[in-house]
Amino acid sequence: QKEVEQNSGPLSVPEGAIASLNCTYSDRGSQSFFWYRQYSGKSPELIMSIYSNGDKEDGRFTAQLNKASQYVSLLIRDSQPSDSATYLCAVNMNSGAGSYQLTFGKGTKLSVIP
Amino acid sequence: DGGITQSPKYLFRKEGQNVTLSCEQNLNHDAMYWYRQDPGQGLRLIYYSQIVNDFQKGDIAEGYSVSREKKESFPLTVTSAQKNPTAFYLCASSIATGTQDGYTFGSGTRLTVV
Repeated sequence: QKEVEQNSGPLSVPEGAIASLNCTYSDRGSQSFFWYRQYSGKSPELIMSIYSNGDKEDGRFTAQLNKASQYVSLLIRDSQPSDSATYLCAVNMNSGAGSYQLTFGKGTKLSVIP
Repeated sequence: DGGITQSPKYLFRKEGQNVTLSCEQNLNHDAMYWYRQDPGQGLRLIYYSQIVNDFQKGDIAEGYSVSREKKESFPLTVTSAQKNPTAFYLCASSIATGTQDGYTFGSGTRLTVV
């Protein structure tokens, strides 16, 4: 069973703090990893992608990948109330015959408290 | 601008009725997907299509049907055999399933049984 696990939260952080969202995955052969942000009642929006071990920074967002530990995380610096949303971790997994499909975690709900 | 258009935004179905959800993309993507999202359940794959005139069942295909007659279009029919269809339905696309790219999502259709 190919799985992506996330803590469902809710994760509450004060405005201006660092929010840390974590994700583990089961398929050791996975090569691409994504973070989506989903506001309540809206569709998921891709905010970060990462393919290599280490850190990738984009503005206030940093994605971290450790393939040996099968672990990917998202850090949000200087958290704002507008960051309050559910964050979905997605991992591209081999589904056979050279085909890959995204497997999604159930999401972590983040609340940034003013 | 390129994107995915889902319609209608809200849809109400009576018991025993079939309804069709529309999904159109102008991204020139080969692969298209349908997901169902229920509270606390994450995204569950209903059907996907890698190329025109071809589609595959996902994890929860029972009670649903699809067609892929054009590259741009991937409509989903919710049949009367689907006993619990109330959910948020998301259509997505990617360049191809053989690559390790992320997905682009449409804005979703919220289906309610009345």
